[in-house]
Amino acid sequence: SQQGEEDPQALSIQEGENATMNCSYKTSINNLQWYRQNSGRGLVHLILIRSNEREKHSGRLRVTLDTSKKSSSLLITASRAADTASYFCATARGAGNTPLVFGKGTRLSVIA
Amino acid sequence: AAGVIQSPRHLIKEKRETATLKCYPIPRHDTVYWYQQGPGQDPQFLISFYEKMQSDKGSIPDRFSAQQFSDYHSELNMSSLELGDSALYFCASSSRQRRGTQYFGPGTRLTVL
Repeated sequence: SQQGEEDPQALSIQEGENATMNCSYKTSINNLQWYRQNSGRGLVHLILIRSNEREKHSGRLRVTLDTSKKSSSLLITASRAADTASYFCATARGAGNTPLVFGKGTRLSVIA
Repeated sequence: AAGVIQSPRHLIKEKRETATLKCYPIPRHDTVYWYQQGPGQDPQFLISFYEKMQSDKGSIPDRFSAQQFSDYHSELNMSSLELGDSALYFCASSSRQRRGTQYFGPGTRLTVL
């Protein structure tokens, strides 16, 4: 990956538990985004956090960004079996329509 | 709401053949991106177009070319296909109003035999 590592690479939890995934990146960024991908399917945009933001919420999702450590975390609360998927972080250098650089992804399995 | 459309969804080709993938962005989106995702890998940026002009270039092989047409749809042309080109190819689009957020299509799964 051009970006860095996601941690953990795989995570297995029980339904109802919280899931936390971490992402590190290497360069300065304008924003960081999280995407979900069900097996072999398209990437679904979850949330975008800008470099001047530290935390953002969307439903059961909470994203934090620490630009000094070049890291981000995605927390999914009260997980459901339907949350089973791969989760990728992606960074953008600029504010405009710039390409995304993806991390390696975390494979989340939520067991009912 | 309208989403990004890609065709075909699946494509099987022999080595050294050519392939053309098509992408129809969300209406009124001005930028189109192409990404390649190998098996078990993260998506890698290939190339993008803003208002029909190439705007950024990533790890796109010389055997590949792409363009965006007057109706904003885009095509990725791949020649002299190799086994290693087998991957999911995603198209994404974005707009000025929602800078940064890219909306991805379902992808084209290319298998090279």
